[in-house]
Amino acid sequence: EVQLVESGGGLVKPGGSLRLSCAASGFTFSSYSMNWVRQAPGKGLEWVSSISSSSSYIYYADSVKGRFTISRDNAKNSLYLQMNSLRAEDTAVYYCARESSLGYCSGGSCYFSYLDYWGQGTLVTVSS
Amino acid sequence: EIVLTQSPGTLSLSPGERATLSCRASQSVSSSYLAWYQQKPGQAPRLLIYGASSRATGIPDRFSGSGSGTDFTLTISRLEPEDFAVYYCQQYGSSQRTFGQGTKVEIK
Repeated sequence: EVQLVESGGGLVKPGGSLRLSCAASGFTFSSYSMNWVRQAPGKGLEWVSSISSSSSYIYYADSVKGRFTISRDNAKNSLYLQMNSLRAEDTAVYYCARESSLGYCSGGSCYFSYLDYWGQGTLVTVSS
Repeated sequence: EIVLTQSPGTLSLSPGERATLSCRASQSVSSSYLAWYQQKPGQAPRLLIYGASSRATGIPDRFSGSGSGTDFTLTISRLEPEDFAVYYCQQYGSSQRTFGQGTKVEIK
């Protein structure tokens, strides 16, 4: 059974930093691209970032570019999101999501895919 | 960035009725790389439809997706009590993946 379990959320002051983790199990983690998606309280879903299986291809939403860093450790079956210079508008539940096996990156290009499994999310609150 | 606009914002229907949800893209979505997700309160989103019209594993056949280019539709043929939720479309044809703002299907 595919499982994705996020951790690391909490309360942080504006300008602060936080590192989220996502522990994956039930599938060959190293074969899949992974994503972070967030949802502000009472709002819709916002795609944040993605990383290919080998970490060679990384993408960010414009809203977080330069402040957030996605990474992964395939030996530990773990995905991370380092969030720096946090703002009030970063307050959200952050979901880790697996990209289906139909997505792949090769020769400088990526073919993206839908998100077939999601974790339950971890809440990040940015407030003074 | 491809902007997805969902309509209506809220759909008030009774169990057994048909629901038709729209997702319009600001530019053509390549290869119909369009997915639909369902989200219930306090839960993570669940994949319903991918490739505009393919049902995900375990999704009942009362859910169907259609469309191409810039206009996509999710149809629920006969609403069951468990179908009242928020539905999001998402395009994954470009590096900047985007979601629509959601359509809430509520009990009338």
